[in-house]
Amino acid sequence: AQSVSQHNHHVILSEAASLELGCNYSYGGTVNLFWYVQYPGQHLQLLLKYFSGDPLVKGIKGFEAEFIKSKFSFNLRKPSVQWSDTAEYFCAVVKAAGNKLTFGGGTRVLVKP
Amino acid sequence: GAVVSQHPSWVICKSGTSVKIECRSLDFQATTMFWYRQFPKQSLMLMATSNEGSKATYEQGVEKDKFLINHASLTLSTLTVTSAHPEDSSFYICSARESLYEQYFGPGTRLTVT
Repeated sequence: AQSVSQHNHHVILSEAASLELGCNYSYGGTVNLFWYVQYPGQHLQLLLKYFSGDPLVKGIKGFEAEFIKSKFSFNLRKPSVQWSDTAEYFCAVVKAAGNKLTFGGGTRVLVKP
Repeated sequence: GAVVSQHPSWVICKSGTSVKIECRSLDFQATTMFWYRQFPKQSLMLMATSNEGSKATYEQGVEKDKFLINHASLTLSTLTVTSAHPEDSSFYICSARESLYEQYFGPGTRLTVT
């Protein structure tokens, strides 16, 4: 069965710092990849997604992610974070022929003002 | 973007009673809806896939008779937790699929069983 690993459980950083969250998956076939964000007290929102094409994907709120197939990775980045980026971030994967999202364990990000 | 609502947002019930949670896609039709469970400080675990007009498909380890899912229309799916026990206390989240791979998530329902 496929699995998704997010290696950072908690990240604390200051405003204007750069952010990178790791995501690795175990499935060897074609996959579609997602990053979701859950702000405190709110529901999951899609940040960005990768289906095919350019492996560098740009999402909302200045986030981007790079799909590196050889490393089975889909790391999320933001060059300069804001206090409002405090949230929990989830990486998710679905097989290209499937419909079930598999989520990583999530990374809680705290941005200090 | 597409909106998914859940009702109630928070429910407290006594052990042994049943609780129904509704999930609605407000501005699109969803042939497939998903039910997840999220434990504190943990990720979302898929419980079941709900297809309109047919029986739900449950993930391994999820009790079908305990977590009854009904997807009677293209905009509504319900999850009923039957004979609830304290260990069923959790955050239940639904999602609805608009396109082949894009899912929109509801705000979740916090269930507390006393």
